[in-house]
Amino acid sequence: GAVVSQHPSRVICKSGTSVKIECRSLDFQATTMFWYRQFPKQSLMLMATSNEGSKATYEQGVEKDKFLINHASLTLSTLTVTSAHPEDSSFYICSAIPLGQLSNYGYTFGSGTRLTVV
Amino acid sequence: GESVGLHLPTLSVQEGDNSIINCAYSNSASDYFIWYKQESGKGPQFIIDIRSNMDKRQGQRVTVLLNKTVKHLSLQIAATQPGDSAVYFCAAASGGSYIPTFGRGTSLIVHP
Repeated sequence: GAVVSQHPSRVICKSGTSVKIECRSLDFQATTMFWYRQFPKQSLMLMATSNEGSKATYEQGVEKDKFLINHASLTLSTLTVTSAHPEDSSFYICSAIPLGQLSNYGYTFGSGTRLTVV
Repeated sequence: GESVGLHLPTLSVQEGDNSIINCAYSNSASDYFIWYKQESGKGPQFIIDIRSNMDKRQGQRVTVLLNKTVKHLSLQIAATQPGDSAVYFCAAASGGSYIPTFGRGTSLIVHP
C-alpha cells in the first residue's frame, strides 16, 4: 500500500532557528501533498497544499514566509519553519495523494513530526 | 464553510463491547466522509469511508452509517479490543474539493 515517510519524527530547536521537515512518498508519486498542524488534544488543521513544480497554496491565516513549502519532486515535499518561536511548537503531519487519484480522498498520512521550540 | 464536530470527546468501553462514535457535519453539500484512527504520536490512519449515495458501509469489525437527513454519521466498532484505543476523527469533503475537513476527535478508551 501507499506509504508516506516523514522525517524527523521529533526535533527540538532554539528560538530563532529554522527547522526543515521532509515528507516522502515511498512507493508512489504524488503531485499533491498536504501539510497539517495539530495541537494537543485538537484536530488536524490544514496549513497548505503543496503542488509539485509550483507554489504552495496556503490556508487563510497561515504565514507563507513563516512556513516555507517546497515540492521539488513527485516524491518529496519539505516544510521549513523559519525563525521558530515557542508558539510554533506543535505536531506537524503531511499527507499525499497518489498521482491521478485526486478523487480518492482517503489519502495516506505521514507519521508526524513533533517540533519543540525552546 | 464546512464544520464537522463530534458529540463526545471521550468514550470509555469494556473490551469485547461494541463502540459507537458519532459525528455531525454542517455542510449539506458534503458528499464524502472518512473515518481516521490516530494513535498517540502518530499520523492518522484511514479506517473506512462512505459516499453520500450510500447509508451504510461495512469493513472488518467496523461499520459506518450515514444519515444525510440529519447530517450525522457514526462509526461502529464490533468487539472492541485494547488495540482500538486511539483518537477517532471523522472528516467530510464536498464535491469539487478533495480536501476533507476534520472533526474535533473522540478519544476511545478500551478497558481490559
